[in-house]
Amino acid sequence: QQQVRQSPQSLTVWEGETAILNCSYENSAFDYFPWYQQFPGEGPALLISILSVSNKKEDGRFTIFFNKREKKLSLHIADSQPGDSATYFCAATGGNTRKLIFGLGTTLQVQP
Amino acid sequence: EAAVTQSPRNKVAVTGGKVTLSCNQTNNHNNMYWYRQDTGHGLRLIHYSYGAGSTEKGDIPDGYKASRPSQENFSLILELATPSQTSVYFCASGDVGGSQNTLYFGAGTRLSVL
Repeated sequence: QQQVRQSPQSLTVWEGETAILNCSYENSAFDYFPWYQQFPGEGPALLISILSVSNKKEDGRFTIFFNKREKKLSLHIADSQPGDSATYFCAATGGNTRKLIFGLGTTLQVQP
Repeated sequence: EAAVTQSPRNKVAVTGGKVTLSCNQTNNHNNMYWYRQDTGHGLRLIHYSYGAGSTEKGDIPDGYKASRPSQENFSLILELATPSQTSVYFCASGDVGGSQNTLYFGAGTRLSVL
């Protein structure tokens, strides 16, 4: 049972467009949602994160929109660049757990 | 910056052999984690540890053991390797929970079991 779901599985956008990556979760106890970015041959690295008390978090071209009622969040990458081509993982944790639960990832390809 | 080092980076093992994957962190984090990454399955948690001497089962612990002899080191052990354990393995450190929630990942170990 996948507690964190991501869509689409893969996404291709043109350079300069906004890429939108979606994530949903099931556990109401989750209160922290990081997004990790992974380039081929490397380990994942934290990109941006949000706490459930907020509905938006911005960091440069990267923005998380969070809807607690619907248990959904999305990562928007504005002005996408070829260097943004990577796999993006949505994750969640909260309550008493000390584990991060990862989604299956979205592979983004930005075409020049 | 946080540093997590895995060794070896690549490993070829024979079915039935013993494999040990090592991880060292210089972040002084209490928690360490072992994940495997396979196409279509994302990152799956195998074992984790709250500190030296402790190990906990993750979501897919069968066929794996873990050892945390010190704050810095966390090993993943495959006593009898099988081809189904061919994967990329990632170690991470971090103090998930409370105000500290970032995991720092190593570069991964690519394991092939023939």
